Amino acid sequence: GEDVEQSLFLSVREGDSSVINCTYTDSSSTYLYWYKQEPGAGLQLLTYIFSNMDMKQDQRLTVLLNKKDKHLSLRIADTQTGDSAIYFCAEGTGGFKTIFGAGTRLFVKA
Amino acid sequence: ETGVTQSPTHLIKTRGQQVTLRCSSQSGHNTVSWYQQALGQGPQFIFQYYREEENGRGNFPPRFSGLQFPNYSSELNVNALELDDSALYLCASSLGGGEAYEQYFGPGTRLTVT
Repeated sequence: GEDVEQSLFLSVREGDSSVINCTYTDSSSTYLYWYKQEPGAGLQLLTYIFSNMDMKQDQRLTVLLNKKDKHLSLRIADTQTGDSAIYFCAEGTGGFKTIFGAGTRLFVKA
Repeated sequence: ETGVTQSPTHLIKTRGQQVTLRCSSQSGHNTVSWYQQALGQGPQFIFQYYREEENGRGNFPPRFSGLQFPNYSSELNVNALELDDSALYLCASSLGGGEAYEQYFGPGTRLTVT
């Protein structure tokens, strides 16, 4: 079956690193994604990783993929108050459908 | 280059009514996907339109239907509204149909069914 799970809430202090974790079930996933949603807004694609990679870095963002354990993480370095939002992990299975997790709400304390 | 736009922003309907939501895709994109996001949940895939044809569908009943126009804008129609249809409806545009590793989302339409 297709399922994406992530923890619901994460609180960090400004300047610390944030790590948001996600597990997925479909071993045929081709791309794995991280999206950000701010209050009252749509989703913003932050980054994605192809399933044959194990790491991708993009400025303050680092994505780690453990395909054996079907585990994906997003690390945000030097977290700022503007990073407070809901972060969605999602998997694509090579077809037309993208499966999203329920989202992790990141709260950054000043 | 214009981004993805959706209209209306908010909508209130009564159970049993019908509703039409609209989406204009990003310039140059020929694919539109629609998602339903219930409060506190992640988006659920409804269907995708590619070059005016339905290209795939999620687990939604036939009362959810859509259209894509020659300019690649799209409509989502929902008939016989139910209370559980209350949600944020998001559209996303991309290029090429199928899995879109670069989907751009609109701000959504918040539908409330009473």
